[in-house]
Amino acid sequence: AQSVTQLDSHVSVSEGTPVLLRCNYSSSYSPSLFWYVQHPNKGLQLLLKYTSAATLVKGINGFEAEFKKSETSCHLTKPSAHMSDAAEYFCAVSPVSGGYNKLIFGAGTRLAVHP
Amino acid sequence: DADVTQTPRNRITKTGKRIMLECSQTKGHDRMYWYRQDPGLGLQLIYYSFDVKDINKGEISDGYSVSRQAQAKFSLSLESAIPNQTALYFCATSDFLGREQFFGPGTRLTVL
Repeated sequence: AQSVTQLDSHVSVSEGTPVLLRCNYSSSYSPSLFWYVQHPNKGLQLLLKYTSAATLVKGINGFEAEFKKSETSCHLTKPSAHMSDAAEYFCAVSPVSGGYNKLIFGAGTRLAVHP
Repeated sequence: DADVTQTPRNRITKTGKRIMLECSQTKGHDRMYWYRQDPGLGLQLIYYSFDVKDINKGEISDGYSVSRQAQAKFSLSLESAIPNQTALYFCATSDFLGREQFFGPGTRLTVL
């Protein structure tokens, strides 16, 4: 069975410092992995997706994620946090490589950015 | 105009009432989905539809039903609402390859 674990429910950083949001997954198949962001009172927006090409994937708004198959992880990073990055972030896995069957979401990580 | 719209955006109802949440999309996508979001649980899939004649149960379909009236419309119904169905509900769409899901703005439902 597929599952996604986001290791931190809350992360707090200062503006201008690096962001690390951690995600581990389990999947019987070669998965596709997605990071979504949800700003308050908004729907989910795709940040980036990994579909078994390069292990380092660049997304929007300066975010990137490194896929490590040996560690079954796909952590989201950003070199310098901005106040507008404050939101909730979801990692999701799809068990079908390169396509989609069902998305399985992690519980989310709420990112706070302080001045 | 938004590609995926949901109505209503907020709804308060009472236990036992029937309620329908509606989703429309202008992306021309075949696939549509309904999720519920609860704090600390992420999103859970309720139902999904790969085309008008293909509807499938997700992880938590009990207490819910859906109708795919057209390619662009997918409705979620709560036949007899109960308080633990209080949640944020999202509709999403994807193309037939399912490379990315596009989400609506959500409907906040409160069942008293």
